[in-house]
Amino acid sequence: DAGVIQSPRHEVTEMGQEVTLRCKPISGHDYLFWYRQTMMRGLELLIYFNNNVPIDDSGMPEDRFSAKMPNASFSTLKIQPSEPRDSAVYFCASSFLTVSGYTFGSGTRLTVV
Amino acid sequence: GIQVEQSPPDLILQEGANSTLRCNFSDSVNNLQWFHQNPWGQLINLFYIPSGTKQNGRLSATTVATERYSLLYISSSQTTDSGVYFCAVERNGQNFVFGPGTRLSVLP
Repeated sequence: DAGVIQSPRHEVTEMGQEVTLRCKPISGHDYLFWYRQTMMRGLELLIYFNNNVPIDDSGMPEDRFSAKMPNASFSTLKIQPSEPRDSAVYFCASSFLTVSGYTFGSGTRLTVV
Repeated sequence: GIQVEQSPPDLILQEGANSTLRCNFSDSVNNLQWFHQNPWGQLINLFYIPSGTKQNGRLSATTVATERYSLLYISSSQTTDSGVYFCAVERNGQNFVFGPGTRLSVLP
């Protein structure tokens, strides 16, 4: 298995632009998580899905953030409009129940200028 | 919500030394994981250990759920062990809460 695949690896965008981050979970995993990592706040859960259904989005900072999982093999995290304070590394992770724990993707480093 | 503390926050070792990292949590948990984030940012799952002891090579972990702590042991440390070690706990559902991490530097 190729693991959890995230794209792009790096994204630099101007303030006000729309940003879309993508994630392909491990086949067969039924949970998908989006985390954000910053120096100030560490690793924060934004949202997670079970069987493609959003379960808890209480970590989504504001309405500018949205996430979808149209099928078991793909999820997106969208920021519109982006702001400099959104600059962070965004990780996607997947798991099968919690039997084996999380597998993380390589992350997307987002810089909003 | 549940609080997760890790100690020490920073640790510097000479190559070959042993170390113990600690994770304390404020409430009972269903699951616990240890992760290593390498200097390139990649997060690697080391152990899924809600209770008991597990070993993988030079690394081992013990979780005492009744006393709300877990320990990660690193023996004969190598420079490649450098990075940040995170403990993450789950109490309800599938949402893991991460601790602030222990930053380990292993010097050659």
